[in-house]
Amino acid sequence: QLQLQESGSGLVKPSQTLSLTCAVSGGSISSSGYSWNWIRQPPGKGLEWIGFIYESGSAYYNPSLKSRVTISVDRSNNHFSLKLSSVTAADTAVYYCARERDFYFDYWGQGTLVTVSS
Amino acid sequence: QSALTQPPSASGSPGQSVTISCTGTSSDVGGYNYVSWYQLHPGKAPKLMIYEVRKRPSGVPDRFFGSRSGNTASLTVSGLQAEDEADYYCSSYAGNNNYVFGTGTKVTVL
Repeated sequence: QLQLQESGSGLVKPSQTLSLTCAVSGGSISSSGYSWNWIRQPPGKGLEWIGFIYESGSAYYNPSLKSRVTISVDRSNNHFSLKLSSVTAADTAVYYCARERDFYFDYWGQGTLVTVSS
Repeated sequence: QSALTQPPSASGSPGQSVTISCTGTSSDVGGYNYVSWYQLHPGKAPKLMIYEVRKRPSGVPDRFFGSRSGNTASLTVSGLQAEDEADYYCSSYAGNNNYVFGTGTKVTVL
């Protein structure tokens, strides 16, 4: 059974960079046919897709966040990561990682809350 | 891209049915057979309930039914049970390697 687990800093200061990692277990991040995604949910608001990366390293981002987002993959450690720069309070959210297969998200992590505050 | 529009809330008594709509455009919901639905319980990983408009993953009860008409997709939950009380989100592929989610619907079992 595939499992995804988010980890990283739970508190980030405004203007700094948010960094999160998603550890994948029970399967290989190098398996073809999937993309590895980040999705977030601000408190009291809906889900927002952030972007994804293929095991090849090709990444695609939500146009509204593209200038601040970098997603990378570490095949040797079977994880992928998110960096979001120049954060503000509006970036406070529960961040989820998820696997995409054939245009749907079939496995998700439990999410991690990141708060942007000084 | 704009979020897909869902009603904020829906409710029904145990055993009844509830239908949640998800309205987009011809560039997302109406343009691709890639609408999916997710169930969110607080503190738990989101769960895939429907994919490709109407397909159910293994383990999802057949009480959950997906459909689409034009630019509006719908999720119907029949025979409501207490454990169905959750937030539900639709999602659609939006072309050019983009995805969009719905605004979310809180389903309450009365």
